[in-house]
This record gives sequence, C-alpha cells and structure tokens, in this order.
Amino acid sequence: AAGVIQSPRHLIKEKRETATLKCYPIPRHDTVYWYQQGPGQDPQFLISFYEKMQSDKGSIPDRFSAQQFSDYHSELNMSSLELGDSALYFCASSRLAGDTDTQYFGPGTRLTVL
Amino acid sequence: GDSVTQMEGPVTLSEEAFLTINCTYTATGYPSLFWYVQYPGEGLQLLLKATKADDKGSNKGFEATYRKETTSFHLEKGSVQVSDSAVYFCALLYNQGGKLIFGQGTELSVKP
Repeated sequence: AAGVIQSPRHLIKEKRETATLKCYPIPRHDTVYWYQQGPGQDPQFLISFYEKMQSDKGSIPDRFSAQQFSDYHSELNMSSLELGDSALYFCASSRLAGDTDTQYFGPGTRLTVL
Repeated sequence: GDSVTQMEGPVTLSEEAFLTINCTYTATGYPSLFWYVQYPGEGLQLLLKATKADDKGSNKGFEATYRKETTSFHLEKGSVQVSDSAVYFCALLYNQGGKLIFGQGTELSVKP
C-alpha cells in the first residue's frame, strides 16, 4: 500500500539558512499534519491542513510557514534556522472524508543545523 | 490540559517475556487512543488503536484496552521477540483532523 512520502530524508543546513521540507500524503487523503521530534523527545504538533486550508496550529515558530497545494502535497518552509531546529520532522496524513481518525506517518526528514 | 504519561524506560526484557508498558491520560472528554511504534532510524508506525471505552485494540500480538474508569491504555504482549525492540508511544486524539498528543515514549530492548 502507498505510504506518506517525505523529501528529503536528510538535510544539513547552516544557521540562518532556509529549508523546505516536502510531504506527499497517501492518495485520497485530504488532511496533512506536521510534527517535530527533538532528540529523545516525543513528537510535537506544528500545523495541519484540511483541503488546502490551515485547520489547526500548534507550537510552530513564526519563522516557519507551511501550505498545502492543489494536489494535496504540503511544504514546510523554515527560515533563519537555529541550532535548536535540529530535529526529525514528520508529516502524517489522514482521510477525514472517510470518517477515520488514524494518522499515518511518513519516514521523516532529519534536519541538522550546524 | 490534555496529556499522556507513559512509564519511563528503558525497559529491558529477555525474549519470550511478558511485556506491559503503562499509559495513562488526562483529558476532559473521550478521546481516541493509539499506540505507535518507532524502530531505530525509522518513522512512526501505527500499532493499534481504540476509539471508545472498553474497546480493545490488537495487532501483531500486542493488545491494549481503553479503560475509562482508570484513564489508562496499557500495552501488553505475551511473549516479546528481539524484533520488538523499539520506542513505543502512547497518544490521544480528540477530534478527527485534530492533533495527536503523545506520551514521552518508552524504549523497549529485548535480549536473546
């Protein structure tokens, strides 16, 4: 079965640079979520989109922005990167129209800020 | 606020031992409950879930029962294998389309 695709899988950036993470949800899924997992930490919710509209917002820094496109893929844009942004970034998707509450996670993008 | 608390790890067991990982939650309503597993270097995989009180989720020999009276969702397996070594996360979800709230994770190490 098709899964959530994230790219790139690994990314190394310098402080103050920008990064763009991409997420391709499972086909026919209409909702995308972004989570951040610091080393040894539990995943923390950043932001979500339903049908291309932002549906919920968590502890996402103002330096970060995200959007969902017409093909339902999503991008997380991160600017003025800081050392503390080094983490594993997960994208998840679900199908609200299908009346299910299960979120399926991608493999994650490991961001290292030097 | 809503939260999930898991037993601290690491939990180290011998192969074929019985596993219990405790999970309790604090919530004002009636959330859905999940267990996710994260193998080394990989993403989160859904292990099992329960959507209402007294529901039992099960998968791959793992089980967990949604106990409203004790606000718990403990994970159990009768006989663990080395391949079960991973980090296990308990999580709750209030609304479809809402955010998952995770516990801090419990690392399980199974020795041959």
